Amino acid sequence: NAGVTQTPKFRILKIGQSMTLQCTQDMNHNYMYWYRQDPGMGLKLIYYSVGAGITDKGEVPNGYNVSRSTTEDFPLRLELAAPSQTSVYFCASSRNAPTGFPQETQYFGPGTRLLVL
Amino acid sequence: KNQVEQSPQSLIILEGKNCTLQCNYTVSPFSNLRWYKQDTGRGPVSLTIMTFSENTKSNGRYTATLDADTKQSSLHITASQLSDSASYICVVSDEPYNTNAGKSTFGDGTTLTVKP
Repeated sequence: NAGVTQTPKFRILKIGQSMTLQCTQDMNHNYMYWYRQDPGMGLKLIYYSVGAGITDKGEVPNGYNVSRSTTEDFPLRLELAAPSQTSVYFCASSRNAPTGFPQETQYFGPGTRLLVL
Repeated sequence: KNQVEQSPQSLIILEGKNCTLQCNYTVSPFSNLRWYKQDTGRGPVSLTIMTFSENTKSNGRYTATLDADTKQSSLHITASQLSDSASYICVVSDEPYNTNAGKSTFGDGTTLTVKP
């Protein structure tokens, strides 16, 4: 299993441009998540999905959109990029919710480093 | 507001020495506490998961403890190796059995550097 894969690894965007960060998992997990990690800070949840066709906002959803048409893929769309979106973005997946039973861990991708200038 | 505080912010130790990282939380109600290891430029990798009924869990040289009464956890690393150099993240989830996935609070992490 490749686990959770993300593309691209690094991208530079100009202010106002748009892009899609790709995320794929091959573990048949129902739950998928997008986080951002700013330097020296904890991960913040942007959006999550509990299954194909179902998505919901996390802590910091403004400026982002997601879709979940298949179990495997969970792309994150940035519209009108702003310097405040400069960050490292992590996609993760899990079989159950982190608060579910039995307790399940999350598996993270390698991250996408985004720089908005 | 749920909070997870980790200390120290950074730590330097010599190879072969032991160390302990701390995590204090105010998350309530408590579901589980997880420790992750994050190597530079990589995604976090799970080390341990503990529920309220567990007060210790080991994964090789890593041992996590949990005191649900005082809302404190620690991660003890034994006989440190150069490869232990990483950021260690404490994550606390609330609302047991709630299927809402947006209820985990991440700490800012402790950066550990192991020197030869």
